[in-house]
Amino acid sequence: DIVMTQGALPNPVPSGESASITCRSSKSLVYKDGKTYLNWFLQRPGQSPQLLTYWTSTRASGVSERFSGSGSGTYFTLKISRVRAEDAGVYYCQQVREYPLTFGSGTKLEIK
Amino acid sequence: EVQLVESGGGLVQPGRSLKLSCAASGFTFSDYYMAWVRQAPTKGLEWVASISYDGGSTYYRDSVKGRFTISRDNAKSSLYLQMDSLRSEDTATYYCTEGMSWGQGVMVTVSS
Repeated sequence: DIVMTQGALPNPVPSGESASITCRSSKSLVYKDGKTYLNWFLQRPGQSPQLLTYWTSTRASGVSERFSGSGSGTYFTLKISRVRAEDAGVYYCQQVREYPLTFGSGTKLEIK
Repeated sequence: EVQLVESGGGLVQPGRSLKLSCAASGFTFSDYYMAWVRQAPTKGLEWVASISYDGGSTYYRDSVKGRFTISRDNAKSSLYLQMDSLRSEDTATYYCTEGMSWGQGVMVTVSS
């Protein structure tokens, strides 16, 4: 199984500052079609997960430009610019390169 | 607007069965792979099972293989999860998702 390892954040993050969350995979997430199958989700307290980005860096419909995904191979980053109170929650990376699909353990973002 | 509405959760004794349903609307259901993802209380996200467009291919995490069965009815735009031989470790909120959109989740508690 592909293991996804997420980094922590130096919480709380002051409102208006930027925050970057790292995610490493135990195997390359590049598929034979050339795409890299890495998703980022945000789960706000008491809510269902929300897809933020897929294919590493493509923002999902309706997602703010303040969220940007980057990376390649086995190392990925989600950057949140100018954080706001509404960005608080737990962020998860997920690989959909192969089954079983696997998630990182989550990174909590608190806003000051 | 895409909607995914899960139902069928509840309290069940260990070793018993439960069937979850997910009613989909707002998109062409048969065009999408579908999945169940669960989240144990205070824990992270865990993929459970996925099913292909026509139901011809199914995928499961090891811990549920042989006990859970994912299925779909494209004519009814519905996804199902038959859960047999339930264990306490299956206690979680179960989400129905096509990757981008998620339902509100349904709670399953396995306890005597």
